Amino acid sequence: DAKTTQPPSMDCAEGRAANLPCNHSTISGNEYVYWYRQIHSQGPQYIIHGLKNNETNEMASLIITEDRKSSTLILPHATLRDTAVYYCIAVWRGKLIFGQGTELSVKP
Amino acid sequence: DTEVTQTPKHLVMGMTNKKSLKCEQHMGHRAMYWYKQKAKKPPELMFVYSYEKLSINESVPSRFSPECPNSSLLNLHLHALQPEDSALYLCASSPPLNTGELFFGEGSRLTVL
Repeated sequence: DAKTTQPPSMDCAEGRAANLPCNHSTISGNEYVYWYRQIHSQGPQYIIHGLKNNETNEMASLIITEDRKSSTLILPHATLRDTAVYYCIAVWRGKLIFGQGTELSVKP
Repeated sequence: DTEVTQTPKHLVMGMTNKKSLKCEQHMGHRAMYWYKQKAKKPPELMFVYSYEKLSINESVPSRFSPECPNSSLLNLHLHALQPEDSALYLCASSPPLNTGELFFGEGSRLTVL
């Protein structure tokens, strides 16, 4: 299982884009990049995933570098409710191993 | 129904007690998971069931005993726990095993006295 590295914390102004980086330099060709978030006292929530191509859904966009060694999760217009811990996970065969994550604080 | 329901939400038990945590989903998912989460730490994988059979045990002590009686239910039986086992226990499910899109419950917060 590839290890992922994320900054421990980040701040973002409400209404601005939040760009959360993740390094996964040892990721294998079979491993997908998944993003989850966990709002305080709740279970983790799936956000988005990708293998090689950039992905977008109603919650976020995922940008994966061409060499797949890093990725960025983009929340286009952060709100106070986006304050949470965000986890980047390299997944193969459904085995989710969470790293330390990034604690994102969205401030008014 | 897109929920994973966990009961009880809170549980306090002594070190000699036997108790169980329950998890239920009605999404037709065939993979179910138990995670343990200590305060300010990420969730740690404990067990994975696929089609009601245990497929992953992450070297969890035997005082934690999982059970999957049918495709909708997952139990975690607790016996002779230690205070350091106090944590939030999260259940999750996914459609097949080989997807990383898990649906998590809200967790059961366990305190061992």
